[in-house]
Amino acid sequence: EVQMVESGGGLVQPGGSLRLSCAASGFTFSSYEMNWVRQAPGKGLEWVSYISPSGTTTYYADSVKGRFTISRDNAKNSLYLQMNSPRAEDTAVYYCVRDSMATDAFDIWGQGAMVTVSS
Amino acid sequence: QSALTQPPSASGSPGQSVTISCTGTSSDVGGYNYVSWYQQHPGKAPKLMIYEVSKRPSGVPDRFSGSKSGNTASLTVSGLQAEDEADYYCSSYAGGKWVFGGGTRLTVL
Repeated sequence: EVQMVESGGGLVQPGGSLRLSCAASGFTFSSYEMNWVRQAPGKGLEWVSYISPSGTTTYYADSVKGRFTISRDNAKNSLYLQMNSPRAEDTAVYYCVRDSMATDAFDIWGQGAMVTVSS
Repeated sequence: QSALTQPPSASGSPGQSVTISCTGTSSDVGGYNYVSWYQQHPGKAPKLMIYEVSKRPSGVPDRFSGSKSGNTASLTVSGLQAEDEADYYCSSYAGGKWVFGGGTRLTVL
């Protein structure tokens, strides 16, 4: 079964740091582009970051550029999001999302990890 | 404010058809054929329903269809069923980033 499982969410203070992890299984992780997409409570979806299959190319939404870092370990079938200097507006469910090959669509979503930024 | 504009709500009776619009610009919807649609039920992760404007993933009923004209994409749900009641989001590739619409809550009356 193809699935992704996020972990590492929780409460973090503004200006602190938190690392989200995503464990992928059921597919050849190293062949796929991956993303993080978030959803603030009661709000819509917002794309956060992208990483190429090799990890050499990354993109970020303007709202997190310079503060968040996406990375991956293909040997461990894992995706990561390092969140530095989080702000209250970063409070959201963070989804680990697979990019369907050559279609730029998000075809497999994890169950999400809740991140709350508050003092 | 979302990059793509969707109506906040839509509704229809069982068996009817409903169309949800998604308006962007020439830098996203109008510039690429990489428009996708997602269905999200409360408390659940989104599910891909349409990709590349009008293609359906395996397992998605053919009651769901997509189209695009200029800077506006559309999702049509035909033969509405109770289980179609959910939030629907459009998304488009926009050159090194992806943008979403604000979402449309579809109510089956």
